[in-house]
Amino acid sequence: EVQLVESGGGLVQPGGSLRLSCAASGFTFSSYEMNWVRQAPGKGLEWLSYISSSGSAKYYADSVKGRFTISRDNAKNSLYLQMNSLRAEDTAVYYCARGGYCSGGRCDGTFGFDPWGQGTLVTFSS
Amino acid sequence: DIQLTQSPSFLSASVGDRVTITCRASQGISSYLAWYQQKPGKAPKLLIYAASNLQSGVPSRFSGSGSGTEFTLTISSLQPEDFATYYCQQLNSYRITFGQGTRLEIK
Repeated sequence: EVQLVESGGGLVQPGGSLRLSCAASGFTFSSYEMNWVRQAPGKGLEWLSYISSSGSAKYYADSVKGRFTISRDNAKNSLYLQMNSLRAEDTAVYYCARGGYCSGGRCDGTFGFDPWGQGTLVTFSS
Repeated sequence: DIQLTQSPSFLSASVGDRVTITCRASQGISSYLAWYQQKPGKAPKLLIYAASNLQSGVPSRFSGSGSGTEFTLTISSLQPEDFATYYCQQLNSYRITFGQGTRLEIK
């Protein structure tokens, strides 16, 4: 079964840091582009970051650029999101999602995100 | 960044109705558009990719169309399990964006 499982969310203070993890199983992780998406309480979906299958290319939304860092370990079938300088507005459920399939040096990211993990909640303490 | 605007933002309909949700892009995105369904407390589920291709396992009452800047998601005959929030997503660039969502509720 193709599956993504996030972990690492929790309660954090403003200005603090947190590292989210996403464990992949059931598919060849190193052949896929990966993404992080978040959803604030009662709000819509916000794409945060993309990483290529090899990890050589990374892109970020303006809202997190310079504060968040995406990375992956293909040997461990794992995706990560290092979040620094956290703000109250970063409160959200964070999802990892599988993107495009890569083969022969070419990737096709037009098939959408599938599957998604179950999400991990990041909240702030006052 | 490419902006996606969904309409309507809220839709009330009955079981058996045919409903259409529109997604407009601020610039042309060819057919690089996907649709998702999300139920409360759950992760989004991919319904349609490349504007009109039905994801494996998704019922055939769901269909998508469009290209360029205007796209539609149609549910031909609403079932009770279809009441959820729907999002469009553009994949034309690596700076991916989502529409604001359309909440579909039972009338």
